[in-house]
Amino acid sequence: GAGVSQTPSNKVTEKGKYVELRCDPISGHTALYWYRQSLGQGPEFLIYFQGTGAADDSGLPNDRFFAVRPEGSVSTLKIQRTERGDSAVYLCASSLQGAQDTGELFFGEGSRLTVL
Amino acid sequence: RKEVEQDPGPFNVPEGATVAFNCTYSNSASQSFFWYRQDCRKEPKLLMSVYSSGNEDGRFTAQLNRASQYISLLIRDSKLSDSATYLCVVNRDTDKLIFGTGTRLQVFP
Repeated sequence: GAGVSQTPSNKVTEKGKYVELRCDPISGHTALYWYRQSLGQGPEFLIYFQGTGAADDSGLPNDRFFAVRPEGSVSTLKIQRTERGDSAVYLCASSLQGAQDTGELFFGEGSRLTVL
Repeated sequence: RKEVEQDPGPFNVPEGATVAFNCTYSNSASQSFFWYRQDCRKEPKLLMSVYSSGNEDGRFTAQLNRASQYISLLIRDSKLSDSATYLCVVNRDTDKLIFGTGTRLQVFP
């Protein structure tokens, strides 16, 4: 389909390992967001790209988390030295230009990360 | 204190009932407001925007009270298919959307 695609859908890893999560946004959407959602909580903002650049990375919890979007389309969220507290569903969303006016983000189905 | 606060529920209501959820936000600079719906183990989807004058979309009515910094969502004639988590969302003058914890609604026959 033409929606936001995220891979892998599930990832189980061991504490201390490195993880990459990929997001392929809707074609033509310049804005791309990463959120993470823990059980019983709402989505928590991590980072937002406008084109290739990170417009706002204020939600990244610490320097173990990093995200890139080198060609302004696909994005990768990278987590180093994973911790059990990183376990969550990582949601990617895209928007045609930005969410400020319409408030409409199109979310992918998420990547469920479990750190053992 | 969280920037967007909601009662997590669950709200258990019979079919046909009217149910209302409130949400409060702490930052008076917030400018835009929305309700999202999230089905169990699915991604969130935009339900409706919230305008200062209040707005209606079928059985759903959203209202904003800027003075008290709260937003409400009213659902009339509840259907089984309305069972979901309803997320209150705000943003300031940027493209970053801040989500509340969500309020879970369960409609029973």
